[in-house]
Amino acid sequence: EVVMTQSPATLSVSPGERGTLSCRASQSVSSDLAWYQQKPGQAPRLLIYDASTRATGVPARFSASGSGTEFTLTISSLQSEDFAVYYCQQYNNWPPKTFGQGTKVEIK
Amino acid sequence: EVQLVESGGGLVKPGGSLRLSCAASGFTFSTYSMNWVRQAPGKGLEWVSSISSSSRYIYYRDSVKGRFTISRDNAKNSLYLQMNSLRAEDTAVYYCGREVGTGSYIEYWGQGTLVTVS
Repeated sequence: EVVMTQSPATLSVSPGERGTLSCRASQSVSSDLAWYQQKPGQAPRLLIYDASTRATGVPARFSASGSGTEFTLTISSLQSEDFAVYYCQQYNNWPPKTFGQGTKVEIK
Repeated sequence: EVQLVESGGGLVKPGGSLRLSCAASGFTFSTYSMNWVRQAPGKGLEWVSSISSSSRYIYYRDSVKGRFTISRDNAKNSLYLQMNSLRAEDTAVYYCGREVGTGSYIEYWGQGTLVTVS
């Protein structure tokens, strides 16, 4: 099973600042990686797929990069609606499809 | 507009059974692979099962193999998860999700249905 490890567990950022989230895979997943955003009481929302492609309707302030085992999600200027939990998920080597444990982005 | 609406959750005793349903609309259901993903209270996301568009390919996580059965009815635009021999650790919100292609990410998610085993 591919283990996905996200860091940090909690990211405290002031509105308008840049936030950088990391996701590491225990073995190469090529570019088969997605990022999701989840707000309290809501279903997850797809942000990024294939490691760096923004999903439809996702603002340009969200960008992502990486391949192999190291991935990054960057929010260039955090808005109030961006404070949420973010999950990475690999779909290269499955079953099972595995998620990271999540990074909570909170207001500093 | 793509819509996925789960139902069937509730409170069940350990060892009991429950059948979840996911009603799909706004897209050609029969051409997409579907998934169930769960989230225990206060925890992260955990993939449970996937089924291909024709039901030819079905996959489960190890912890539910032999207890859960995923199925679909393309004529009714519906996805199901039959859950037997339920355990306390199966307590979670269960989401259905539509994936892109086969064996990829989940593009659309339902709002979830809560299953409590106690």
